[in-house]
Amino acid sequence: EVQLAESGGGLVQPGGSLRLTCTTSGFTFSDYPMGWIRQAPGKGLEWVGFIRNTAWRGTTQYAPSVKGRFTISRDDSKSIMYLQMNSLKAEDTAVYFCGLPPKGSSWYFAYWGPGTLVTVSS
Amino acid sequence: DIQMTQSPSTLSASVGDKVTITCRASQTIFDWLAWYQQKPGKAPKLLIYKASNLESGVSSRFSGSGSETEFTLTISSLQPDDFATYYCQQYNSHSPLTFGGGTKVEIK
Repeated sequence: EVQLAESGGGLVQPGGSLRLTCTTSGFTFSDYPMGWIRQAPGKGLEWVGFIRNTAWRGTTQYAPSVKGRFTISRDDSKSIMYLQMNSLKAEDTAVYFCGLPPKGSSWYFAYWGPGTLVTVSS
Repeated sequence: DIQMTQSPSTLSASVGDKVTITCRASQTIFDWLAWYQQKPGKAPKLLIYKASNLESGVSSRFSGSGSETEFTLTISSLQPDDFATYYCQQYNSHSPLTFGGGTKVEIK
């Protein structure tokens, strides 16, 4: 059974940093790309970014709103994906989900974790 | 960026009703469209991919159709478990991937 679980959320001051972790099981992690999606309180879904699998050199792509501040990485030996968030702003406050696309290059998300809340506030 | 516009934003319906939600893309996305269902406090759940393909394990009362710029999600006979918010997502372009604003299906 595919399982995804985010962790690392919490309260952080504007300008601060936080690293989220997506721990996975139930599939061959190294074969799959992975993504992050967020949802501000009471709002819709917003794609954050994704990382391709190692066969595609683990290249990344980001939404314009986070490019240059957020970095996605992966550790295939631990079946874990990370989201390093720097220079955080109030508008980054959201529940952050990790998502699993199908193999290949179809960028929809067949599986989601339950999410972790990030609050950026002084 | 490809803009995705859903309508209506809110829909009131009764159990047993046929419900249709529309998603329009600002440019052609061919059939690279997914639909999700989200309940309060939960992660989204994939319903449909490639515009009309039913995800494994999803009830056959859900169906998707459309191509290029206009798409619909239809629930053939609304059930109590279907009251939720529905989102479309285009994946023709990942620069960036974009979601519709959502359609909340409420009890009439």
